[in-house]
Amino acid sequence: AQSVTQLDSQVPVFEEAPVELRCNYSSSVSVYLFWYVQYPNQGLQLLLKYLSGSTLVKGINGFEAEFNKSQTSFHLRKPSVHISDTAEYFCAVSELRAGNNRKLIWGLGTSLAVNP
Amino acid sequence: GAGVSQSPSNKVTEKGKDVELRCDPISGHTALYWYRQSLGQGLEFLIYFQGNSAPDKSGLPSDRFSAERTGGSVSTLTIQRTQQEDSAVYLCASSSGLAGAETQYFGPGTRLLVL
Repeated sequence: AQSVTQLDSQVPVFEEAPVELRCNYSSSVSVYLFWYVQYPNQGLQLLLKYLSGSTLVKGINGFEAEFNKSQTSFHLRKPSVHISDTAEYFCAVSELRAGNNRKLIWGLGTSLAVNP
Repeated sequence: GAGVSQSPSNKVTEKGKDVELRCDPISGHTALYWYRQSLGQGLEFLIYFQGNSAPDKSGLPSDRFSAERTGGSVSTLTIQRTQQEDSAVYLCASSSGLAGAETQYFGPGTRLLVL
């Protein structure tokens, strides 16, 4: 991928409200797509990933994301957030190219703050 | 342990000194990555190792940075003549391969402060 853009650096939301964290990428080839989450004072962990098949992917903690190839997007959604969802969320892309160079390209992250 | 471990968890050093950061990947993982995370920034790729292949060093910001991976397991990231701009959290991750689909498992990071 040439780049991964997370359109919102910060997203404040009230508890039990829905949320969407946006991610767009640019690439001329097929891709794998990932969302990672970093809770306060914890390490990064995988939230969900799209490899192939159904474009709607379900992850941990009630999150889901939809791959839209025509719009080159992989937006993350949750219908009702909890205080515990407060964290930094990172979108990442891996291009399907021949050879051994498959490192991830990372977005800058979106800080989700869930308020009571 | 079952996860990726890093040491030290925190390191404070003086400008100009050398530092070594250590990463123990998950046993059996062939791919190992180093990233740098600065305040308010995303993950900056530094280097990765895959099995016995030559490492991809394309992300190292200067020749003061180097890394080794001994025996296909433990890795050490060395920063020589540290500068204040090197202050950041250094993250290590490992995965079971490098086909691009594998999940990366991250360690807790080493927080480096250069005074």
